[in-house]
Amino acid sequence: DGGITQSPKYLFRKEGQNVTLSCEQNLNHDAMYWYRQDPGQGLRLIYYSQIVNDFQKGDIAEGYSVSREKKESFPLTVTSAQKNPTAFYLCASSPGPVRPQHFGDGTRLSIL
Amino acid sequence: EDKVVQSPLSLVVHEGDTVTLNCSYEVTNFRSLLWYKQEKKAPTFLFMLTSSGIEKKSGRLSSILDKKELFSILNITATQTGDSAIYLCAVLYNQGGKLIFGQGTELSVKP
Repeated sequence: DGGITQSPKYLFRKEGQNVTLSCEQNLNHDAMYWYRQDPGQGLRLIYYSQIVNDFQKGDIAEGYSVSREKKESFPLTVTSAQKNPTAFYLCASSPGPVRPQHFGDGTRLSIL
Repeated sequence: EDKVVQSPLSLVVHEGDTVTLNCSYEVTNFRSLLWYKQEKKAPTFLFMLTSSGIEKKSGRLSSILDKKELFSILNITATQTGDSAIYLCAVLYNQGGKLIFGQGTELSVKP
């Protein structure tokens, strides 16, 4: 089945540690996105990529990094510079910039 | 600053009721407005509205956009417990494919 796979579902980070969240899609979509969701809030855009080897900062990029080396993969690294990383992270993809985005099941990140 | 505001933030109804969820926006470079339903995890796409005054319908759900007054509504008729979820409204920018989301409306449908 075609879809967006995020892993792991749950992740725990120690102080000072970088962690990487995986996002893979087999929909052949060009565009991919990372969002953060905090309780009682909507989604906020972290990074997005319209094509391979190119990506742009969203509204809350500080403390995060991404890469887009393959069309199907868009991993997000939460660095130690992100002081409040506890949140639900959602990855999305779309066929292009004017088409609806479709989401993975998310990764819940917590601090130990 | 661009923003999307949803109301109410939470709503409790009984099965069979009809509900109306609201979404207003102030966004430069508007292209479309989207509605999503979020249960435990992934938001699922409901509607994308680009033109004013044209109702989109899917079963008991319908939505319409007013680009003059800058708002949209999502109607759910004959609600069921399975409609319990967070409903998210988002505006798609004309360039870059970025979405800006509202805070969401948490709907709870009681038996």
